[in-house]
Amino acid sequence: ETGVTQTPRHLVMGMTNKKSLKCEQHLGHNAMYWYKQSAKKPLELMFVYNFKEQTENNSVPSRFSPECPNSSHLFLHLHTLQPEDSALYLCASSQDQPRGQIFYEQYFGPGTRLTVT
Amino acid sequence: TQLLEQSPQFLSIQEGENLTVYCNSSSVFSSLQWYRQEPGEGPVLLVTVVTGGEVKKLKRLTFQFGDARKDSSLHITAAQPGDTGLYLCAGGTSGTYKYIFGTGTRLKVLA
Repeated sequence: ETGVTQTPRHLVMGMTNKKSLKCEQHLGHNAMYWYKQSAKKPLELMFVYNFKEQTENNSVPSRFSPECPNSSHLFLHLHTLQPEDSALYLCASSQDQPRGQIFYEQYFGPGTRLTVT
Repeated sequence: TQLLEQSPQFLSIQEGENLTVYCNSSSVFSSLQWYRQEPGEGPVLLVTVVTGGEVKKLKRLTFQFGDARKDSSLHITAAQPGDTGLYLCAGGTSGTYKYIFGTGTRLKVLA
């Protein structure tokens, strides 16, 4: 496998279910991100992990729970979701924490298309 | 709140035509990135511009960062069906993780 992979690619779940999304990066990066892409809204940053430590939580509801066991793997645990949470969930990774760097380059996975019924 | 507005929202053109997509904000960014996203895939980074007035070319694509670093444009010359996709701009602030993404321009190039 190369780049950033995400599983599953599609997920349908009821509002009372518990499921998890998985992301794995094969690029040797140290920072990983979860984004939400809805039909009529810009791409939204949800969480950032750098060296396994969460450095950003963009006011995300607690029904979304991230986990980063190591720099290569990132999970998003889902429970008691609402229909409005249906979206494409994208994982991304980048080299490292941007300490004074002007920019960094993110590499995205293909996403998990989530439908909450 | 930083916002990036892209225009047009949708664009359908014939193969061989030229087009320009705009990305505008009232905020200053230290860098501006352009991505292309194809159906069923994640966004792929095309270019990063960091200097006001900077112009970068990638084959038939020309990217420009505004002098005040508040806006950017993407010009495609002689568009091809392979250029079809969702084009996203993203503004970054030095030393932070947050890239603010634009509203997107959905381009369709007809053969």
